[in-house]
Amino acid sequence: QVHMVESGGGVVQPGGSLRLSCAASGFTFGTFAMHWVRQPPGKGLQWLTVISYDGNNRYYSDSVHGRFTVSRDNSLSTLYLQMDSLRPEDTAIYYCAKGNAGWGTFFDSWGQGILVTVSS
Amino acid sequence: QSALTQPASVAGSPGQSLTISCTGTSSDIGDNDYVSWYQHHPGRAPKVIIYDVSRRPSNVPNRFSGSKSGLTASLTISGLQPDDEADYYCTSYTNSKTYVFGSGTTVIVL
Repeated sequence: QVHMVESGGGVVQPGGSLRLSCAASGFTFGTFAMHWVRQPPGKGLQWLTVISYDGNNRYYSDSVHGRFTVSRDNSLSTLYLQMDSLRPEDTAIYYCAKGNAGWGTFFDSWGQGILVTVSS
Repeated sequence: QSALTQPASVAGSPGQSLTISCTGTSSDIGDNDYVSWYQHHPGRAPKVIIYDVSRRPSNVPNRFSGSKSGLTASLTISGLQPDDEADYYCTSYTNSKTYVFGSGTTVIVL
């Protein structure tokens, strides 16, 4: 059974940094693309970034490009999101999501999400 | 990367059918057939209910169906049930190898 658990969330000041982790189990992690998606309070889902199964290809939304970095450690079945230069508008629940293939065109499983609050 | 356009809410009575539209551009919905739909109950993880425009995961009832015409994708829920009350989001792959979500639609079961 696919299972993903996010961790590393919390409260951080504007301009600060935070690293989220997503521990995966129940599937061969190193053969699937992985994504990060967020939901600001009272708003809709926002796609942030994707990393290919081997980590060689990464793409970002304009809203986080240059500030957030996605990475993965296939030996640990773990996905990461390094978030720098955080802004109040980055406050959201952050979800990791599994792609349906090595690159993939949709998100077939999701974690429960972790709250990140950017506030002074 | 503007969000795809969805109606804010749609409502229907149990047993009825309703359709949610999702309008994009030639860079996303109009560029490929990689439109997917997600059901999101507050406090729970989102769940894929349609992928590749009209394909349905094996664990999703056939009351849910998807289609696309031009720049607009649609999700139809037939035989509306109380548990269908949730937020629904469309997503499209784009020609920049990114993804974009719709603005979201709240389905209200009267």
